[in-house]
Amino acid sequence: NAGVTQTPKFQVLKTGQSMTLQCAQDMNHEYMSWYRQDPGMGLRLIHYSVGAGITDQGEVPNGYNVSRSTTEDFPLRLLSAAPSQTSVYFCASSSYRGMNTEAFFGQGTRLTVV
Amino acid sequence: GQQLNQSPQSMFIQEGEDVSMNCTSSSIFNTWLWYKQDPGEGPVLLIALYKAGELTSNGRLTAQFGITRKDSFLNISASIPSDVGIYFCAGPLTSGTYKYIFGTGTRLKVLA
Repeated sequence: NAGVTQTPKFQVLKTGQSMTLQCAQDMNHEYMSWYRQDPGMGLRLIHYSVGAGITDQGEVPNGYNVSRSTTEDFPLRLLSAAPSQTSVYFCASSSYRGMNTEAFFGQGTRLTVV
Repeated sequence: GQQLNQSPQSMFIQEGEDVSMNCTSSSIFNTWLWYKQDPGEGPVLLIALYKAGELTSNGRLTAQFGITRKDSFLNISASIPSDVGIYFCAGPLTSGTYKYIFGTGTRLKVLA
């Protein structure tokens, strides 16, 4: 069972570089999201998508873009990396069963911007 | 905006001891989720709560959905070394949506 797969696991970028963090899920979940985790701050929502072609901003969207062309994939793009974007990034997916929902997370991408 | 406050922030306990932690919100929640994160891994769902007053167990873990709907509690009985990790509470920003907010976490360290 693959679940939610994130690549790469580790990445070092120079300030100003761009890159895409990949996320794929094989559970046919309609909802996918990106979080960043910083020390002492828990997880903060960056962007989310409720289905293919539909995305919206979370708590901390600045500096990030997303798109959702398929149900399975939800890439996160850093347009011009900044040191403040050094963090661990998690992708999650979930689906509703009635009113109940549970989010499943990938293993994370540890990003360092120098 | 809404915040989830977890306490304690961290704790050291002896193997075999029981552990209690809680999560409080400034707003009412209709769903509470408890996750555990091992070092270098993503959070894994432990328990989901959907009804005020609900008490749910998963092995040695028991979680409760507070009556006021503004808090939740997680208890771990007879802790073992593999309980080490960070425990997060989470809930939807708006009822019926997928947008979750997370607490800042309780870091648990178990001394053998």
